[in-house]
Amino acid sequence: AQSVTQPDIHITVSEGASLELRCNYSYGATPYLFWYVQSPGQGLQLLLKYFSGDTLVQGIKGFEAEFKRSQSSFNLRKPSVHWSDAAEYFCAVGAAEYGNKLVFGAGTILRVKS
Amino acid sequence: GAVVSQHPSWVICKSGTSVKIECRSLDFQATTMFWYRQFPKQSLMLMATSNEGSKATYEQGVEKDKFLINHASLTLSTLTVTSAHPEDSSFYICSAIKRYTDTQYFGPGTRLTVL
Repeated sequence: AQSVTQPDIHITVSEGASLELRCNYSYGATPYLFWYVQSPGQGLQLLLKYFSGDTLVQGIKGFEAEFKRSQSSFNLRKPSVHWSDAAEYFCAVGAAEYGNKLVFGAGTILRVKS
Repeated sequence: GAVVSQHPSWVICKSGTSVKIECRSLDFQATTMFWYRQFPKQSLMLMATSNEGSKATYEQGVEKDKFLINHASLTLSTLTVTSAHPEDSSFYICSAIKRYTDTQYFGPGTRLTVL
């Protein structure tokens, strides 16, 4: 069965500090991988995606993620967090073979302290 | 860009009434749209896949007679919650796959409260 695990429910970092949000997946096909961000009461905004090719992908707002097939991971990173990054982050997995349906992780709430 | 809108953004209704939520892709064509439900402090749960010109495909456990989905055009899908009850109160989010890509773009969500 397809599943996505985000082991950290909450993470608190200081403004200016680096950030890494973890994501592991279990999937029966070659996955497409996504990170989305959601502010309270809002929809989801796509941060970045991986389909194939270079395993280090760059996204918007200074985020990047690295696909590690051997570890079934797709961790999200940012070198210097801004207060405006406080939100909930969702990792998602999909595949064309499954009609591009997305399976979401439980989400990680990021708090930024000044 | 790839903008998806939802209308209304929030709705309050009485128990037993029906509510229609619209999902539109504003600047692209979407042959496939998805409807999700999100409970407070939880992740998104896929309810159904909506394909233009064909019947929607519902996920296991989702009542198709209660959540009616119509994908009338390449830019519009509607979700109608029929005979709504308080347990249907939730945040409903749609997404659309941009034609010729495999990327889902999400709408801003609709907050439904059933009294």
